[in-house]
Amino acid sequence: DTGVSQDPRHKITKRGQNVTFRCDPISEHNRLYWYRQTLGQGPEFLTYFQNEAQLEKSRLLSDRFSAERPKGSFSTLEIQRTEQGDSAMYLCASVGEGRTDTQYFGPGTRLTVL
Amino acid sequence: QQPVQSPQAVILREGEDAVINCSSSKALYSVHWYRQKHGEAPVFLMILLKGGEQKGHEKISASFNEKKQQSSLYLTASQLSYSGTYFCGTEMGANAGGTSYGKLTFGQGTILTVHP
Repeated sequence: DTGVSQDPRHKITKRGQNVTFRCDPISEHNRLYWYRQTLGQGPEFLTYFQNEAQLEKSRLLSDRFSAERPKGSFSTLEIQRTEQGDSAMYLCASVGEGRTDTQYFGPGTRLTVL
Repeated sequence: QQPVQSPQAVILREGEDAVINCSSSKALYSVHWYRQKHGEAPVFLMILLKGGEQKGHEKISASFNEKKQQSSLYLTASQLSYSGTYFCGTEMGANAGGTSYGKLTFGQGTILTVHP
């Protein structure tokens, strides 16, 4: 257990529905990353927060994806109008202030879009 | 740009050694190694920094060749628990505080299977 939690752990939805995932990072960490991982691939960067500020978003990320981190604590990732290609594991990683601090991954949310 | 890992898969017997490589075409600031078991989150193994600093588990060793932008993970006297997929994550040599601060690009993974 890394101290990072994600909810839900599994989500099955129908194409076209909206889904929201939550990540609770390690409390003293001010940086939070979201990644997406498909079968047989490494995690792919989606977006990054430092405290409540979203500092970078992947150019590959559709405008159907949005993320927030109100008050610099937990973060949510929302996918609107889901498509079958959105099926993947969504991981968040919690990191301290230092550039070389370890990224601690949560257990992930596995999304299946039918 | 995604780093390239080799080999794609390794099969070992307990006690044997293995080396996993990670290469980038871009100048790197750091290389991070993770192990992931099926259905679980990646688990941190080691960070190697430009300049030679390393942070990680005592039982894991790795190297970072800055000239070649290559890193290697050395798994010695393998145990059954070493089985899993190993990923390297690379951070480009952007200035600290820039938008690429701490952002990792992961390779496609190396599947390691250790048999009794």
